[in-house]
Amino acid sequence: AQRVTQPEKLLSVFKGAPVELKCNYSYSGSPELFWYVQYSRQRLQLLLRHISRESIKGFTADLNKGETSFHLKKPFAQEEDSAMYYCATETGANNLFFGTGTRLTVIP
Amino acid sequence: EADIYQTPRYLVIGTGKKITLECSQTMGHDKMYWYQQDPGMELHLIHYSYGVNSTEKGDLSSESTVSRIRTEHFPLTLESARPSHTSQYLCASSQQGTDTQYFGPGTRLTVL
Repeated sequence: AQRVTQPEKLLSVFKGAPVELKCNYSYSGSPELFWYVQYSRQRLQLLLRHISRESIKGFTADLNKGETSFHLKKPFAQEEDSAMYYCATETGANNLFFGTGTRLTVIP
Repeated sequence: EADIYQTPRYLVIGTGKKITLECSQTMGHDKMYWYQQDPGMELHLIHYSYGVNSTEKGDLSSESTVSRIRTEHFPLTLESARPSHTSQYLCASSQQGTDTQYFGPGTRLTVL
């Protein structure tokens, strides 16, 4: 079954520093992968999906099949990036399996 | 305004009570979902629905039940609440054939 793991529950970086939130998946084929984000007192929402190859709010995520990873990266963290980030994979019929999440804190 | 609503936002209730968590969406979406999330844990899919009169069990076994009598409404019911049901419950919806899910604000349930 398709699964994702997020090894870090907490991650703190200083403002302006690069940030990388790790996500590894277990699937031998071509997975559909996503990053969802939940800002303080807001709802969980889609940040980006790998098939779009887009950059949202300065974040990018590249699928690395060799490492079975889909890490979320941003070159210069901002305070407003502080949030809970969830990696997710589609498990079929457009259902999603979410990881445990990583709480990112950007220190001013 | 197109949105997805959940009520109540917080509920504290005693063991053995029957409860219904409400979820409604005005987004015109066919597919709806219920997730359960314990603190620091994954969101687990417990129920989903493709449309009216469709209900399916998710990845995580749950004692709750759901119904889908109207497209916009997807309530979740616990016949007899227990402390093990204490959790956050998130409702979501998506357009059929798409993978973007839109989430409600959640209901935090505490069973004493």
